[in-house]
Amino acid sequence: QSALTQPPSASGSPGQSVTISCTGTSSDVGGYNYVSWYQQHPGKAPKLMIYEVNKRPSGVPDRFSGSKSGNTASLTVSGLQSEDEADYYCSSNAGDNSVFGGGTKLTVL
Amino acid sequence: EVQLVESGGGLVQPGGSLRLSCAASGFSFASHWMTWIRQAPGKGLEWVANIQQDGVKAHYGDSVRGRFTISRDNTRDSVFLQMNSLRADDTAVYYCAKHTFYMFDSWGQGTLVSVSS
Repeated sequence: QSALTQPPSASGSPGQSVTISCTGTSSDVGGYNYVSWYQQHPGKAPKLMIYEVNKRPSGVPDRFSGSKSGNTASLTVSGLQSEDEADYYCSSNAGDNSVFGGGTKLTVL
Repeated sequence: EVQLVESGGGLVQPGGSLRLSCAASGFSFASHWMTWIRQAPGKGLEWVANIQQDGVKAHYGDSVRGRFTISRDNTRDSVFLQMNSLRADDTAVYYCAKHTFYMFDSWGQGTLVSVSS
């Protein structure tokens, strides 16, 4: 159960777009269309932002989008806003278990 | 409104035990898998364990298998995590989460477990 690989940090200016990658294997990201993304602000519980690779729960702005190619999933945040500054985690189904990425700290410059 | 409220965290010595509870409300508890996820201080999220709707099937992460046991009581809309043989690297905030089709769509506020002598 190795963690998925995410870049430790990403950044962008307000209004710009930023993409965060999440790399796994054929046993997790590549094998299932069950990748989800979570946003976590300091001291708060994580919040679901994307599920099943590219679906948004009700209430999540359409500035957030997801995609997948092979063993790598991606989260794109368009039109960056200051409140988007947070940690982002990907997760994938891995058979009976689930696995998370190491997290990416998104900074809005 | 979905609510998940964890309790039972605290300070425990290495080798000790602790039982976490998570009280659920606002949804059909018995229809959902439930999951425990933890986060060590300053670190990322780690999936710990999940349990099927009827409590028959449960799965564990490699780091806790054989030491932790997840269970549930659908009459009390609650899920539990019995943690034995605790180690320093089990120190973390423990979240319970509602598990819907391989996504964690609701989370509790977390309960802190500290393992130290």
